[in-house]
Amino acid sequence: KNEVEQSPQNLTAQEGEFITINCSYSVGISALHWLQQHPGGGIVSLFMLSSGKKKHGRLIATINIQEKHSSLHITASHPRDSAVYICAVRQGGSEKLVFGKGTKLTVNP
Amino acid sequence: DAGVTQSPTHLIKTRGQQVTLRCSPKSGHDTVSWYQQALGQGPQFIFQYYEEEERQRGNFPDRFSGHQFPNYSSELNVNALLLGDSALYLCASSFYRGYEQYFGPGTRLTVT
Repeated sequence: KNEVEQSPQNLTAQEGEFITINCSYSVGISALHWLQQHPGGGIVSLFMLSSGKKKHGRLIATINIQEKHSSLHITASHPRDSAVYICAVRQGGSEKLVFGKGTKLTVNP
Repeated sequence: DAGVTQSPTHLIKTRGQQVTLRCSPKSGHDTVSWYQQALGQGPQFIFQYYEEEERQRGNFPDRFSGHQFPNYSSELNVNALLLGDSALYLCASSFYRGYEQYFGPGTRLTVT
């Protein structure tokens, strides 16, 4: 079992829909990251969380430390949101990030 | 302010050859981490460099080695290339023990 599990693996939505991507992890962490990767490879950091909730524009990220679970929400989804969304955790006392396999989101017009 | 840059963008090598990938960190950052991302998978941590020393290493063989220069830029070297080394190699920079990592665009390595 991977240390970081994401669901779903693939997600197709219609423009305007509310999107939720989930991330569960099995290790103690000091921080959790949500990242966006477009075709071609470049990765952009969306959020870094250690507790609670963060919001940036149409994106909202939450984390429940006790349940070892985080969610990324996209409100009023748009075709330009189509990308792979990756959850990564930084284990306590470690410098490295451990990544999930990603969720491929396609938003159709 | 330039972000993280990597070179080359794409590279094709033959099995058994050696390759060197390069990374320049975001201005002000002193730490470089390298990741390997196979097709359809999440990135996997290779190693991290700070103060020209390897500080932490993931589960990669000794064929993977690195270097950090005084200007904080870094190289990733892979010897005796295998077909399975074909992947996107990502570099990320940060402050040492800082939580925020900034990723470069990656180098796509194809081994034939």
